[in-house]
Amino acid sequence: NAGVTQTPKFQVLKTGQSMTLQCAQDMNHNSMYWYRQDPGMGLRLIYYSASEGTTDKGEVPNGYNVSRLNKREFSLRLESAAPSQTSVYFCASRLYGTGSTDTQYFGPGTRLTVL
Amino acid sequence: KNEVEQSPQNLTAQEGEFITINCSYSVGISALHWLQQHPGGGIVSLFMLSSGKKKHGRLIATINIQEKHSSLHITASHPRDSAVYICAAPYNFGNEKLTFGTGTRLTIIP
Repeated sequence: NAGVTQTPKFQVLKTGQSMTLQCAQDMNHNSMYWYRQDPGMGLRLIYYSASEGTTDKGEVPNGYNVSRLNKREFSLRLESAAPSQTSVYFCASRLYGTGSTDTQYFGPGTRLTVL
Repeated sequence: KNEVEQSPQNLTAQEGEFITINCSYSVGISALHWLQQHPGGGIVSLFMLSSGKKKHGRLIATINIQEKHSSLHITASHPRDSAVYICAAPYNFGNEKLTFGTGTRLTIIP
């Protein structure tokens, strides 16, 4: 039982390059999330998916696209990276609405630098 | 969208001290979350609570829904408790999207 896994752990891009951050969970959770964390700011929601085949924008979606490939996987794509997207990205999953078992599980994070 | 504020931003204490971290939010909610971010960056959920108090080991979380305020207490603090503690509230009642506070950096000195 690996929980939430993210790849890669580190990435350096040049402005304008594209890349996809991968996330997978093995806990059979319906809800999955992508957040970014910047110094001095709280975690901010980029996109989330309440179930397979559905996605919704969060607080800071511009410059990103997502894909919920199946129940396990939720990927985040940067089509044309910009220095403002330098951040640490966290994927999370959750069994939303289940009362005492409603816990959010986080991946280890991806540290992305855009030059 | 909820506005979440935490205090203090930074807290340094001696080992064994009783620690209190505060969280206030602006919009009525169904439940509030407390998380811990380790020095290495990993994030772990500690509590989700909708009323009253929850306890897990030396950690106690309380919430006052009417006052829109929650506290996280650590009893008999230990250097391994050193971390950033983050509270998070739903955008509004029943919404699964969360707004996060900026965190309280806790350092426990041996």
